[in-house]
Amino acid sequence: EIVLTQSPGTVSLSPGERATLSCRASQSVSSSYLAWYQQKPGQAPRLLIYGVSSRATGIPDRFSGSGSGTDFTLTISRLEPEDFAVYYCQQYGSSSLTFGGGTKVEIK
Amino acid sequence: QVQLQESGPGLVKPSQTLSLTCTVSGGSISSGSYYWGWIRQPAGKGLEWIGRIYTSGNTNYNPSLKSRVTISIDTSKNQFSLKLSSVTAADTAVYYCARERISFYYYMDVWGKGTTVTVSS
Repeated sequence: EIVLTQSPGTVSLSPGERATLSCRASQSVSSSYLAWYQQKPGQAPRLLIYGVSSRATGIPDRFSGSGSGTDFTLTISRLEPEDFAVYYCQQYGSSSLTFGGGTKVEIK
Repeated sequence: QVQLQESGPGLVKPSQTLSLTCTVSGGSISSGSYYWGWIRQPAGKGLEWIGRIYTSGNTNYNPSLKSRVTISIDTSKNQFSLKLSSVTAADTAVYYCARERISFYYYMDVWGKGTTVTVSS
């Protein structure tokens, strides 16, 4: 099983600042099969990014993804008030899938 | 647009079987482009994939839960279901159903709102 480790666990930032979230895999992950989700309290996760860097429908361009192999990054260029949430990376491989433990982006 | 809705008992006794159904609306569950999956999330914790089913009935399960999980599909009702046997308090969680796209890319693009299941006597 591929383990995804997200860091930091929590980051405190102000609106307008840049957020950089890391996701590290225990083994190499196919770039086609790495996705990111946003989850707000009491809501289901929402797909943000798939295939490492492709934005899902309706996702603003302040969200971007990058990386390859075992190291992946989600960047929010300028935090808006609605961006404060928990972010999860996810990988699919060998008919199974795992999520990272999440990074909480909180208001400083 | 496709929507998913989970339903089932909110309280299950220890050692019994948890049963949930996900109803798909706004589209056909028989679409060959998608798989249909279950994910759970204990309160205050992260997401755990439980398993998925294809319209053909082909299934994949999380190895850690495989011995207790059964996912089935009823295309006539546009529904798929989850059964988790021999539950304990550790199975208490919000359970989500989701649509999975497995092609050149992988992603879960449509999620139900989730349903809370508590395991308690």
